[in-house]
Parts: sequence; structure tokens; C-alpha cells
Amino acid sequence: QSALTQPPSASGSPGQSVTISCTGTSSDIGGYNYVSWYQQHPGKAPKLMIYEVSKRPSGVPDRFSGSKSGNTASLTVSGLQAEDEADYYCNSHAGSNNYVVFGGGTKLTVL
Amino acid sequence: EVQLLESGGGLVQSGGSLRLSCAASGFTFSSYAMSWVRQAPGKGLEWVSAIISSGVTTFYADSVKGRFTISRDNSKNTLSLQMYSLRAEDTAIYYCAKAIVGSRSGFDIWGQGTMVTVSS
Repeated sequence: QSALTQPPSASGSPGQSVTISCTGTSSDIGGYNYVSWYQQHPGKAPKLMIYEVSKRPSGVPDRFSGSKSGNTASLTVSGLQAEDEADYYCNSHAGSNNYVVFGGGTKLTVL
Repeated sequence: EVQLLESGGGLVQSGGSLRLSCAASGFTFSSYAMSWVRQAPGKGLEWVSAIISSGVTTFYADSVKGRFTISRDNSKNTLSLQMYSLRAEDTAIYYCAKAIVGSRSGFDIWGQGTMVTVSS
């Protein structure tokens, strides 16, 4: 069982928006602004999409946005495109003992 | 080009040992914390271990604490993971990942991964 809870699947049609949640506790997501999101296509290494809750690395489209409220972080993908179909993982800093925890992943399907 | 290249994976018997390496290039390796993240076949990502830029401080997931040792050689731009007492549940692709400066969870550069298979 993963430390952070994500829905196993999400879907949307091209052009629509979809939001993926990531729920933790006050010891991880709720305690730090160190939530990141990763996109992983089959057979590929993960790619950083969002870090520190809402910052986008250079090259990531602004269709991807992140937010946090309490112990839950969210990734929103606007204007869905076929290439957005992938697995998405959240992670969070969790203090000096656990350091980093990941969510179980969400498979995003573009209908 | 910024790159991480893992090596050292393979097939090992339960209880055995293996040493993974990660060669970094294209950035100032000594300035960044580094981590190992693994992914069991068909499963999600699991953070394994981290080491700060100087190598003085290390962190481990409970699942590997006492069995794995992370280290780095900043003179050779190399990150290592020494794995002992391997178990079937350690079977996974092992990725090395570079941390974003100041971020404790953001990994912006990943290697292609090296597969570790532990047979029982």
C-alpha cells in the first residue's frame, strides 16, 4: 500500500480538463510544500511535470498545473491531448525519517 | 547533454548482493542531491534512498534500511547503491534521479533504469 493515495484511473476527452488527486497526511503533503508530479509513458522513465506544488519545469506545457489544499494535492491537465495518456505519480517530502513518499499512480486515458 | 546512466543490474539469488552505479554527465554532479527510485514490474514508483550533495547525509526507505547503502564519488560523478540480503520483493527497475536544488521531492533528471531480478 502506497503512502499517498491516488485514484487508479482517470479519463477525459480531447480538449477537456481532468484533475487527479493525491491524498496524504499532515506528515507529508500537509506538512510541506514539496509535492511533485511525474508523467510516465510505458517503458519510459518518469518525467517531472510539477514540483513544489505548482511550479512547472522548463518545457512542460502550461496545460499542466498543480495545487494543494490541506493534505491533498491535485494535478490538473487542461486541453487534454492524446499524448497526455500516461501514468501519473505524485510524491511528497515526508520528513527526515521517510524523506520521500510516492502515490500509487493514476492511469490517465484520453478517450 | 544532461544524462544519467545506470549500470550493474542483473539476476541474483535471494540473499545475494549487487552494486548499482549511476554515471552522471552534463551538470555539476557535486552540487545536487541524488536519489534511487525503483519500480517493480507492473507496479508504481517507490523511493529507495537519497544522498545529499556532499555525501555526508543519507536517507533510506524502511523497506531497504539496513540492507542497502547509498554513496557517491563526486570526483568521478558517480552515484552507487550497494544492495545486500536481496529479496524477491527487491525485483524492480532501479532509476537514479537528480534532485532539483532546494526541492526535497522534485527529481528533474532520470536515468533509463537498470533491471534487478532476485530469484528465490
